[in-house]
Amino acid sequence: DQQVKQNSPSLSVQEGRISILNCDYTNSMFDYFLWYKKYPAEGPTFLISISSIKDKNEDGRFTVFLNKSAKHLSLHIVPSQPGDSAVYFCAILRGDTGNQFYFGTGTSLTVIP
Amino acid sequence: DAGVTQSPTHLIKTRGQQVTLRCSPKSGHDTVSWYQQALGQGPQFIFQYYEEEERQRGNFPDRFSGHQFPNYSSELNVNALLLGDSALYLCASSLLAAGVSGNTIYFGEGSWLTVV
Repeated sequence: DQQVKQNSPSLSVQEGRISILNCDYTNSMFDYFLWYKKYPAEGPTFLISISSIKDKNEDGRFTVFLNKSAKHLSLHIVPSQPGDSAVYFCAILRGDTGNQFYFGTGTSLTVIP
Repeated sequence: DAGVTQSPTHLIKTRGQQVTLRCSPKSGHDTVSWYQQALGQGPQFIFQYYEEEERQRGNFPDRFSGHQFPNYSSELNVNALLLGDSALYLCASSLLAAGVSGNTIYFGEGSWLTVV
């Protein structure tokens, strides 16, 4: 039972354009949402997060949007840079079950110079 | 300040064997979680250890067991290995009292296990 889904396994974007990565979840009890970036041979590194009381959080080139009614999370990267090429995972925490992450399946982003 | 370190980085085992993976948490952290990431999948939560006890467990069989030592380091043991256990095993460390946020949980580089 996949509670967190990233329906696009891969995405290619031209340098300087916007990258939009999407994530859908099924459980309305989820209350803290994160995006992780993963390079080959490295562990996931934290990128940006948002709590369920907000609908937008911005950090530099990265913005996360949360639509609770649609159970949808998205990450916008603008402008995209070649160094952003990596696999991006959305990860969701459910506060009442401790700090167990539910991860999506990942989207491989390629930014073309 | 060393981050989360895992060993070994790569290993190959035969079906039916047993394997032990090790994790040293980031300095000052007291909680260790283990995740399994199969090829093409996102990480799946195995279990979490705090104060040398299993605090929470995901949907994994009893073949998967763990241990946490007084110095907070942890081991993941998998018995009777199956081909489907081939995956990247990630360790994440945190400080329980710090609460949960992206800035408080750190992942290691992982241990690649191949079962043949």
